[in-house]
Amino acid sequence: DTGVSQNPRHKITKRGQNVTFRCDPISEHNRLYWYRQTLGQGPEFLTYFQNEAQLEKSRLLSDRFSAERPKGSFSTLEIQRTEQGDSAMYLCASSLSGLAIDTQYFGPGTRLTVL
Amino acid sequence: AQRVTQPEKLLSVFKGAPVELKCNYSYSGSPELFWYVQYSRQRLQLLLRHISRESIKGFTADLNKGETSFHLKKPFAQEEDSAMYYCALSGNTGKLIFGQGTTLQVKP
Repeated sequence: DTGVSQNPRHKITKRGQNVTFRCDPISEHNRLYWYRQTLGQGPEFLTYFQNEAQLEKSRLLSDRFSAERPKGSFSTLEIQRTEQGDSAMYLCASSLSGLAIDTQYFGPGTRLTVL
Repeated sequence: AQRVTQPEKLLSVFKGAPVELKCNYSYSGSPELFWYVQYSRQRLQLLLRHISRESIKGFTADLNKGETSFHLKKPFAQEEDSAMYYCALSGNTGKLIFGQGTTLQVKP
């Protein structure tokens, strides 16, 4: 296991198209997080899962965004009817929750460009 | 409101000089504070967290609850320290709230 992986690494799409990103967490990690990062900003929280349950969603996550984590393994983030404002780096992180605050390990990100 | 502020977008120092990257936070409760680093063309990775009180790659950070600060320090900067540094806090849900980041540039 080489860490968190994300696919694709880059995605260019036209406005109005749907896109889907995949995140494969570190195998024993039960928590999975999605963040979005725009140029010059730090990552912003979008949503997170504990196993297959989606426990929190940011107000940034409009109804065009949907995330799933079937069977508590990999996760997908889908954006419907993309807009130019969706252009960003989408980061996935995973962690193993326990008694203490868990450490999140990040993937390389998927860079989305909406034309 | 939960917020992390990193007032400097860019910090440029010469090799061997001391470094201090500033971080202030706003949180009602007892947050966990972190510093993450991103080297060129690499993924974001944890540098240190306040609860572990470690020194990683010569960096230390002390949580000052009175000043709500968690500044990152290193006595002698190295060229390989050049990177983007993000301060972040975590509440009880585990999600991270990041600052805008500071680019550290260490000149030879």
